[in-house]
Amino acid sequence: EIVMTQSPATLSVSPGERATLSCRASQSVSINLAWYQQKPGQAPRLLIYGASTRATGIPARFSGSGSGTEFTLTISGLQSEDFAVYYCQQYHNWPPITFGQGTRLEIK
Amino acid sequence: EVQLVESGGGLVKPGGSLRLCCAASGFTFSTYSMNWGRQAPGKGLEWVSSISGSSSYIYYADSVKGRFTVSRDNAKNSLCLQMNSLRAEDTAVYYCARGAAGGMAVHDYWGQGTLVTVSS
Repeated sequence: EIVMTQSPATLSVSPGERATLSCRASQSVSINLAWYQQKPGQAPRLLIYGASTRATGIPARFSGSGSGTEFTLTISGLQSEDFAVYYCQQYHNWPPITFGQGTRLEIK
Repeated sequence: EVQLVESGGGLVKPGGSLRLCCAASGFTFSTYSMNWGRQAPGKGLEWVSSISGSSSYIYYADSVKGRFTVSRDNAKNSLCLQMNSLRAEDTAVYYCARGAAGGMAVHDYWGQGTLVTVSS
């Protein structure tokens, strides 16, 4: 099973600034990596797949990068609605599909 | 508009059974794989099961294998999860999610979830 590790657990950033979230895989997942956003009481929403491709309707301020074992989700010009929990997910070698434990992005 | 609506959650005793279903609309259901995931209270996301459009391919997490059974009815645009021998650790919000066109494991649309509580 591929273990996904996200860091940091909590990230405090001011509105308007840039947030950088990291995700590491225990073995290479190529670019088979997705990012999801989840707000309290809501279902997750797909942001990025293929490590860097934005899903339908996702603003350009969200960008993904990386390959192999190291990945980054960057959110530029943070807006109030971006404060949420973010999860990475690998789908390179499955089952099982595995998620990271999440990074909580909070307002500084 | 893609819509996924789960139903069937509730309170059940350990060892009991529950059947969750997901009603899909706004897309050609039979051409998409579907997934079940869950989220225990205050915890992260966990994948539970995936089923291909034709039901030819079915996968389960080890934690539910042998206890849960996924099925779909393409004529009714419905996905279901039969959960038997439930344990306290199965307590979670259960989500159905559509598999993306390019890859069934990418969950491109999610329902709002249904809460399953396993407690005596």
